[in-house]
Amino acid sequence: GAGVSQSPSNKVTEKGKDVELRCDPISGHTALYWYRQRLGQGLEFLIYFQGNSAPDKSGLPSDRFSAERTGESVSTLTIQRTQQEDSAVYLCASSLAGIYEQYFGPGTRLTVT
Amino acid sequence: QKEVEQNSGPLSVPEGAIASLNCTYSDRGSQSFFWYRQYSGKSPELIMFIYSNGDKEDGRFTAQLNKASQYVSLLIRDSQPSDSATYLCAVNNEDSSYKLIFGSGTRLLVRP
Repeated sequence: GAGVSQSPSNKVTEKGKDVELRCDPISGHTALYWYRQRLGQGLEFLIYFQGNSAPDKSGLPSDRFSAERTGESVSTLTIQRTQQEDSAVYLCASSLAGIYEQYFGPGTRLTVT
Repeated sequence: QKEVEQNSGPLSVPEGAIASLNCTYSDRGSQSFFWYRQYSGKSPELIMFIYSNGDKEDGRFTAQLNKASQYVSLLIRDSQPSDSATYLCAVNNEDSSYKLIFGSGTRLLVRP
C-alpha cells in the first residue's frame, strides 16, 4: 500500500517568510508525528496527533511553529517568519493507534536563505 | 534530559562479517526499542523493534535488549555493501509512551 507522503520535497525560502509543509499519513493510521532532523543529527520530536485527542505540542521549538490535522488525514506544519536555524529536514511519520512502530515519509528539506 | 547514546562511527566491517551496533539509553522506564536504517539523503526506515529482554531475529538482523543494563544492540550478519547506512536507535519515553527519543546514529561502512 501507499506509504506516508510529504510535500514539497524541497523548499527554499527567504528569511522572514512563512512556509507550509504537508503530510499525508498511511491510510488507517490514526497517529501522526512531526520530527525535525538537522544535518548530521538525530530526530527531534515536534508534535503528535492521535485521532480527535488534543495534540502533544511539547516539542515545538517556538510559537512560530504550529501544526494542524483534519481528523485522521492530512496534516500541515506551518513555520512563520522563518529563520536560518529552521533549515533542516522535516519528517512526518504515522502509526496505528496504540502501536509504537512509526513509519516515515520522505521528508521535506527546508532551506532558509 | 532523557538521552539515547550511540557511537557516531564510522564502523567499518568487511563484506560478509558481522556488524555490531550498540545503543544505551537513560530512561529506565522505556519499554519499546527500535532500529531505523537511514541512507544518505533519505528518511529513516524501520528495520527492527523489540519490546522484551533477550534476542529477536529477523533474517540477517538480530536485536538484543538488556533492560537492566539499559542497553540495546543490533547485529547484522553477512554484512553487504548495501547495508552501508546510518543506523538510528530509538527508545520510547516512559512518560509519553508514543514519543520516541532518537540517538544521533552510527554510520556503518561495509567494505567490498
